Amino acid sequence: GDSVTQTEGLVTLTEGLPVMLNCTYQTIYSNPFLFWYVQHLNESPRLLLKSFTDNKRTEHQGFHATLHKSSSSFHLQKSSAQLSDSALYYCALNAYKVIFGKGTHLHVLP
Amino acid sequence: DAGVTQTPRHEVAEKGQTIILKCEPVSGHNDLFWYRQTKIQGLELLSYFRSKSLMEDGGAFKDRFKAEMLNSSFSTLKIQPTEPKDSAVYLCASSLEGGGGYEQYFGPGTRLTVL
Repeated sequence: GDSVTQTEGLVTLTEGLPVMLNCTYQTIYSNPFLFWYVQHLNESPRLLLKSFTDNKRTEHQGFHATLHKSSSSFHLQKSSAQLSDSALYYCALNAYKVIFGKGTHLHVLP
Repeated sequence: DAGVTQTPRHEVAEKGQTIILKCEPVSGHNDLFWYRQTKIQGLELLSYFRSKSLMEDGGAFKDRFKAEMLNSSFSTLKIQPTEPKDSAVYLCASSLEGGGGYEQYFGPGTRLTVL
């Protein structure tokens, strides 16, 4: 069946360093949508960005991700982490139904 | 436009009680989801409705968890009987449609504590 894998449960880094959160997926559907949701403390998840197009970079609020169908990946990146980026990040796949990964906690230190 | 609303925001129950959580999706959305969120398991799908029809009932949660969608603007999640391991945040989400890449809009959640 379909699945989403986020390999890191927790990523800790210092403010100003680059961020990369990994997301890989499995599906037999050839045209899936991939999403990143962000959840700050005491809030609910909300959409950060999404993509459908192979090899096209998608950007929002300083974050970016590129869907690579050849490697079934949709990694989230940011060039310089800010303290306010500390949150829980979910990668999600929408093929014939929506599947969320386990989530990655990003902890940005001053 | 109002977002997803959930009531109550907090619920404390004794083991063995029946509790009902409520959700109102975004107006016009066809899909409604119930999730349980814990630190260990993350987001777990409990139920999924499309146009009021139950599409998925989250397998492992069948026996004590029952979600219903009586009309397009209201859904309930009943847990009967509650157990301490049910302590979690229960999130309701809605989207325009499951396919087509539409995002899910999440409600504020109900924090359930079972003693």
